Amino acid sequence: NAGVTQTPKFQVLKTGQSMTLQCAQDMNHEYMSWYRQDPGMGLRLIHYSVGAGITDQGEVPNGYNVSRSTTEDFPLRLLSAAPSQTSVYFCASSYSVGTGYREKLFFGSGTQLSVL
Amino acid sequence: GQQLNQSPQSMFIQEGEDVSMNCTSSSIFNTWLWYKQDPGEGPVLLIALYKAGELTSNGRLTAQFGITRKDSFLNISASIPSDVGIYFCAGQLTRTSGSRLTFGEGTQLTVNP
Repeated sequence: NAGVTQTPKFQVLKTGQSMTLQCAQDMNHEYMSWYRQDPGMGLRLIHYSVGAGITDQGEVPNGYNVSRSTTEDFPLRLLSAAPSQTSVYFCASSYSVGTGYREKLFFGSGTQLSVL
Repeated sequence: GQQLNQSPQSMFIQEGEDVSMNCTSSSIFNTWLWYKQDPGEGPVLLIALYKAGELTSNGRLTAQFGITRKDSFLNISASIPSDVGIYFCAGQLTRTSGSRLTFGEGTQLTVNP
């Protein structure tokens, strides 16, 4: 029972490099999202998707791109990494039955990203 | 935008003690949630609250949805070492499409055996 799977677990980048954080869920959840966690700031929403082919910006979207070609996968792309993007990144998914249940998020185990 | 203030930021307690933490908002929420994050893992939902005044328990955990809709409280009774972690409150204005969770800064709990 995998749930939400994130890869890689750890990553070190140099400023200006690009990379993709992978997220996959096997629960057939419609809603998927990306958060970043910084000390003393809680979890902040980067981007989210309510279904395949649909994405939208969250609270801190600058510097990140997403796409949702399948229900299962929701990759997060850093186009040109900056030190300010050093953080722990979490992917989360949930049901989206009508108008409810989105708040019951299932989180992956996170990706620790350092940008030098 | 909406902000949640969670307190205390950290707590150091002895095993067996009770714990209280709270979350306050500058605006009203219609859903309050409490998550726990174990070291090296993602947060896990503990309790969800949907009505003002609601009091809900999950084992040794009890959470309350404040009457003003601007606050919520989490109590842990008879703490044990596995209670260690970061506890996050989160609020949601509506359950409709596009609504987002706002998370507090977290309370880091340390339990000494």
